[in-house]
Amino acid sequence: DGGITQSPKYLFRKEGQNVTLSCEQNLNHDAMYWYRQDPGQGLRLIYYSQIVNDFQKGDIAEGYSVSREKKESFPLTVTSAQKNPTAFYLCASSTQRGRGDTQYFGPGTRLTVL
Amino acid sequence: AQSVTQLDSQVPVFEEAPVELRCNYSSSVSVYLFWYVQYPNQGLQLLLKYLSGSTLVESINGFEAEFNKSQTSFHLRKPSVHISDTAEYFCAVSDLEQGYNKLIFGAGTRLAVHP
Repeated sequence: DGGITQSPKYLFRKEGQNVTLSCEQNLNHDAMYWYRQDPGQGLRLIYYSQIVNDFQKGDIAEGYSVSREKKESFPLTVTSAQKNPTAFYLCASSTQRGRGDTQYFGPGTRLTVL
Repeated sequence: AQSVTQLDSQVPVFEEAPVELRCNYSSSVSVYLFWYVQYPNQGLQLLLKYLSGSTLVESINGFEAEFNKSQTSFHLRKPSVHISDTAEYFCAVSDLEQGYNKLIFGAGTRLAVHP
C-alpha cells in the first residue's frame, strides 16, 4: 500500500535532549513537509522540501532541523533549543505540479517533554 | 499572504441533523481551497477541494462545500450527520510563496455528533 509512515507514534523526551522523528513515503512525491499541531491553533509549518538535498524554513523553524538525503525520507530533529516541544507532529507529502496539489498526511507522532 | 478563519471552534449537533462548518479566507485573484478531516490521534485526510469550475464540490461520504467568491467563503455542509462524523475539520487555502505551494490552515472546528 502506498502512503506515509511516521515513527514512533509516541515519544517522550527529557529536557535538554535532541530527538529525531521519522517520516517515510512511498508515493514517489517530490515535496515533503513537517507541521506542528497544538490544540486550537491548527497546523503550523516547520520545514518543507521540494527536492532531495534542498529544504526551506517554514513559519516556526527555530529549534528544529531537517535533512533530505533521499526522496522517500524527511526526518525532523527537535533540538534542545526548542523551548516548548510538546505537541503533535505531522509529516506530509505532495507532488509538485501546482497549487492544487493535495498534501497527504502521515498518522503523526505525539512528543511529550518530561 | 493568505489567511483562513474558521468561525466556530466547536459545533455540537445531534445525529441525523444538518450541519454547517464555516470557513472564510482572505481575498486573492485565484484561490484553491481544501477541507481536511482529522479523527482522534490520526493524521489529516482530504475531504474535498475546490480548484476551478463548479462552485459546489462534493465528497464521497455526503459532505459538500460551496465556493462563494463574493463572500470569500468555503463553508462545509452535510444534510444529515452520523456519529462517525465526529472529528476535527480543517479548512485550508493554497498560497504560492517563492514558487513553493504552501497550505495555510484554519484553527479547526471540532464537530461533536451526539445520539
